[in-house]
Amino acid sequence: AQSVTQLDSQVPVFEEAPVELRCNYSSSVSVYLFWYVQYPNQGLQLLLKYLSGSTLVESINGFEAEFNKSQTSFHLRKPSVHISDTAEYFCAVSPFSGGYNKLIFGAGTRLAVHP
Amino acid sequence: EPEVTQTPSHQVTQMGQEVILRCVPISNHLYFYWYRQILGQKVEFLVSFYNNEISEKSEIFDDQFSVERPDGSNFTLKIRSTKLEDSAMYFCATQGLADYNEQFFGPGTRLTVL
Repeated sequence: AQSVTQLDSQVPVFEEAPVELRCNYSSSVSVYLFWYVQYPNQGLQLLLKYLSGSTLVESINGFEAEFNKSQTSFHLRKPSVHISDTAEYFCAVSPFSGGYNKLIFGAGTRLAVHP
Repeated sequence: EPEVTQTPSHQVTQMGQEVILRCVPISNHLYFYWYRQILGQKVEFLVSFYNNEISEKSEIFDDQFSVERPDGSNFTLKIRSTKLEDSAMYFCATQGLADYNEQFFGPGTRLTVL
């Protein structure tokens, strides 16, 4: 079985400050790792994913996440946030199984960017 | 850009009533999922569906729940006799053969059971 822990339920931050949203997972099998973002009144959108290869993955809007196998973590970072980054962020894992499998989500972290 | 749509956006029902939540997948997607999120809790997997049958279901997905793709386009989740604890946001997600491990989510249906 798999589980995902997002250590912070809410993260307030000022605009242009750096931010890190923490995610740890537990699994008895290898997993793929994901970050999804949910803007108000919208569905979940994939922000970035780690399947294999380089442990550092980046999104098109400046977020990055690093897979750390020894610490079973996949923390999300951004060096300078914008007001528009205000949203809920969900970390998720999916066990290796041909690519078509359920996602197991963390509880989410609400990022609030203040001017 | 193609997107997954869900109807209705909000459904209010009385306990014991049947509800059907609808999802229109992205065209040519073949893998379908339902998730739910009770207010203040995690997004939880309910069921996955491929080739007109359930691939996997969670413990939550008991005999009160069913899924089908009645007309080859809509993907529906039916709750036969709703309970208060079924109140939640229900998300549909779909995935294509080329979208290795990427599921595309709809905006959700908020179900309120009174």
